[in-house]
Amino acid sequence: EVELVESGGGLVQPGGSLRLSCAVSGATVRSDYMSWVRQAPGKGLEWVSIVYSSGGTYYADSVKDRFSIFRDTSKNTVNLQMNSLRAEDTAVYYCARGLIRGFDYWGQGALVTVSS
Amino acid sequence: EIVMTQSPATLSVSPGERATLSCWASQSVSNNLAWYQQKPGQAPRLLIYGASTRATGIPARFSGSGSGTEFTLTINSLQSEDIAVYYCQQYDTWPPLTFGGGTKVEIK
Repeated sequence: EVELVESGGGLVQPGGSLRLSCAVSGATVRSDYMSWVRQAPGKGLEWVSIVYSSGGTYYADSVKDRFSIFRDTSKNTVNLQMNSLRAEDTAVYYCARGLIRGFDYWGQGALVTVSS
Repeated sequence: EIVMTQSPATLSVSPGERATLSCWASQSVSNNLAWYQQKPGQAPRLLIYGASTRATGIPARFSGSGSGTEFTLTINSLQSEDIAVYYCQQYDTWPPLTFGGGTKVEIK
């Protein structure tokens, strides 16, 4: 059974940084497509970033040049380094696996609040 | 960027009745479309991928259809546990991967 568990959320001031981590069990981050998807309070789902098996990465325009996704294959984790945070980045951030057959596994989410 | 549009925003259905949810893409996504169910306080759950293939463990009352730009999610014989927000998502042309705005299904 695949399980994704996010950690690292919290309260941060505008302009600050935060790193989210997604611990994966039952699957290998090196061979899977792994994404971060966020959901602002009361809003819909927004894809943020993806890292795929070859190590390539893509980002939504809203976070490009501020966020960085990377894998730690020794720990089997996918991480999201978030810099220059803004109020509009406030959201629950979900780690999700998959792509061509949809996002088939999701974590429980990590709340990031950007506020002074 | 492919824009996904869902209709209606809210759908009220009596228990045991059929719910029909629509999703449109601003350009063809072939059959590269998924549907998700999200209950309050929970992560989304994959229902359908490839526009019409049920994910593992999804009850047969959920079905998907369509291709190109028009898609439908049908919930036959709605049950109380189906109350949720449903999202469509295209994975044909990316980045970005894009979601629809969601349809909230409630009990009439």
